[in-house]
Amino acid sequence: GAGVSQSPSNKVTEKGKDVELRCDPISGHTALYWYRQSLGQGLEFLIYFQGNSAPDKSGLPSDRFSAERTGGSVSTLTIQRTQQEDSAVYLCASSLTSGNGDQYFGAGTRLSVL
Amino acid sequence: GESVGLHLPTLSVQEGDNSIINCAYSNSASDYFIWYKQESGKGPQFIIDIRSNMDKRQGQRVTVLLNKTVKHLSLQIAATQPGDSAVYFCAESFIQGAQKLVFGQGTRLTINP
Repeated sequence: GAGVSQSPSNKVTEKGKDVELRCDPISGHTALYWYRQSLGQGLEFLIYFQGNSAPDKSGLPSDRFSAERTGGSVSTLTIQRTQQEDSAVYLCASSLTSGNGDQYFGAGTRLSVL
Repeated sequence: GESVGLHLPTLSVQEGDNSIINCAYSNSASDYFIWYKQESGKGPQFIIDIRSNMDKRQGQRVTVLLNKTVKHLSLQIAATQPGDSAVYFCAESFIQGAQKLVFGQGTRLTINP
């Protein structure tokens, strides 16, 4: 596709439920990132995939958060046993490995945990 | 820990005026800086970047200034237009390889007609 695609655009769930958020990066981009943006805040790094290397998980806030990237393309961010403080916009970005940090962002998934 | 912050959370300017958005960063090892624009309901959009071996870079109506001595970054927008109204974020990273970005809190810019 032309840009980074994320689905769903909105997700409402009940506390304690698991959720899966999907990201389709730009074709040919080998780097993929997940960020979290709480209301009125900046973006908080969560996890980063680069090609076939082990992902950088240093930003994941707890072991309830995990992510996969299958076939070097699509990525899924999973939040288990959701809590109200998980409510935020989850943004995915992708970039080429050309040595610059120019990342292209999707529109995000707005997660609301009731 | 590492952090990037902004001096002003909100900024209002008259249409046609110039605006300046400021940012302070704390990691002196960062060598790549980016400004993003985020409109309501959308993801951040790349505006302009600058490497640490430069102190100024110009784009179309935008200029980024980097002062490494005081670890300060600014974004100047000339002849502002209503479409410039958005939240602006600075971010720091490293040139070598694709790297995670450390974002500031953001400044909301409002262009008054």
